[in-house]
Amino acid sequence: GAGVSQTPSNKVTEKGKYVELRCDPISGHTALYWYRQSLGQGPEFLIYFQGTGAADDSGLPNDRFFAVRPEGSVSTLKIQRTERGDSAVYLCASSLRRSGANVLTFGAGSRLTVL
Amino acid sequence: DAKTTQPPSMDCAEGRAANLPCNHSTISGNEYVYWYRQIHSQGPQYIIHGLKNNETNEMASLIITEDRKSSTLILPHATLRDTAVYYCIVRVDGTASKLTFGTGTRLQVTL
Repeated sequence: GAGVSQTPSNKVTEKGKYVELRCDPISGHTALYWYRQSLGQGPEFLIYFQGTGAADDSGLPNDRFFAVRPEGSVSTLKIQRTERGDSAVYLCASSLRRSGANVLTFGAGSRLTVL
Repeated sequence: DAKTTQPPSMDCAEGRAANLPCNHSTISGNEYVYWYRQIHSQGPQYIIHGLKNNETNEMASLIITEDRKSSTLILPHATLRDTAVYYCIVRVDGTASKLTFGTGTRLQVTL
């Protein structure tokens, strides 16, 4: 498709379980970003990839959160031992890396609910 | 990236211009001003960006003061579909680094 695709759109899990969230960026976009958004707040940066490598992972809250992008396209955000505080909408965005404008295109997000 | 200050909420009548202000008094010379908006249950959507000149596209106009310490996003004829949270973000361009979102302005367009 033409946009950023995120799956699943909704995920309900129990405390302590493992969760994977997937992001398919726009074809050809080299940069990929993960954000999470809690109710009433702006998106909070988690990590961004340039190609296959994590260029900035300063926003990952702790070592339960991990993200990969093995082939420089699709990315997976992995959350271990989920906690109720992890409940949020997880947003993915992609962009072309170039000088000048760096416009991020966001997906619709994956809503995670930890019971 | 420089911090921005926006009013938490604004109202606008449908068909009127919506003028959304943003203060970025600590902006650096190489930082751009970006505007995104987020309609309920959707991801943020890019609107417009600029460095120091005023910019216009099919969605909006961006007016940046001469000292670059503040800017205004103008939606010339607001519709109900423009009801959203609008985020003003300043960042250094020429890189693919992160955007840092604040809490934005919640614009409510009414009949």
